[in-house]
Amino acid sequence: SQTIHQWPATLVQPVGSPLSLECTVEGTSNPNLYWYRQAAGRGLQLLFYSVGIGQISSEVPQNLSASRPQDRQFILSSKKLLLSDSGFYLCAWSHARGGGEKLFFGSGTQLSVL
Amino acid sequence: QKEVEQDPGPLSVPEGAIVSLNCTYSNSAFQYFMWYRQYSRKGPELLMYTYSSGNKEDGRFTAQVDKSSKYISLFIRDSQPSDSATYLCAPYNTDKLIFGTGTRLQVFP
Repeated sequence: SQTIHQWPATLVQPVGSPLSLECTVEGTSNPNLYWYRQAAGRGLQLLFYSVGIGQISSEVPQNLSASRPQDRQFILSSKKLLLSDSGFYLCAWSHARGGGEKLFFGSGTQLSVL
Repeated sequence: QKEVEQDPGPLSVPEGAIVSLNCTYSNSAFQYFMWYRQYSRKGPELLMYTYSSGNKEDGRFTAQVDKSSKYISLFIRDSQPSDSATYLCAPYNTDKLIFGTGTRLQVFP
């Protein structure tokens, strides 16, 4: 069966510090991978998605970047965090061929930038 | 106009009540209509979905879509405290999945 791992669960970072969140998927090959951010009252906002190694599409211009160094690894980064980067970050995967509506989410990272 | 509108709640009901959760959407191209359930501080999980118009039933849950009015509903029968969560509707078409803001449901014993 497929599983998705996301860590850390919570993170408190000062403004201006770097960020690295990691997500890995097991039990499937060549998944589509996604990073979402969830802010209170604003729903899920798609930040990045990837259909393959090194292939990243950005949905929202921002202070963040994503990378996919391996087939089942997705990393969200920032060089300098802003207060507005606070939120609940979710990694998700879907099957590569069709099934883009069926997302499987990780447990999320609550990021607080102070 | 937002592509998907959903009442944020919270909706508080007694155990055993019938719950109705609703969304409206603006893009008539949407073909799949998903419902995700999210417990506090957890990632969303797919609850059920329908394709095009009509109803779909899964145990105590019924999803309904009316494409003519662009209206999506999720009904929960015999609600339980374990149903307390945020429910997100998410219409989909060709790689475009749009989440509503979610409705927070509280079922009290």
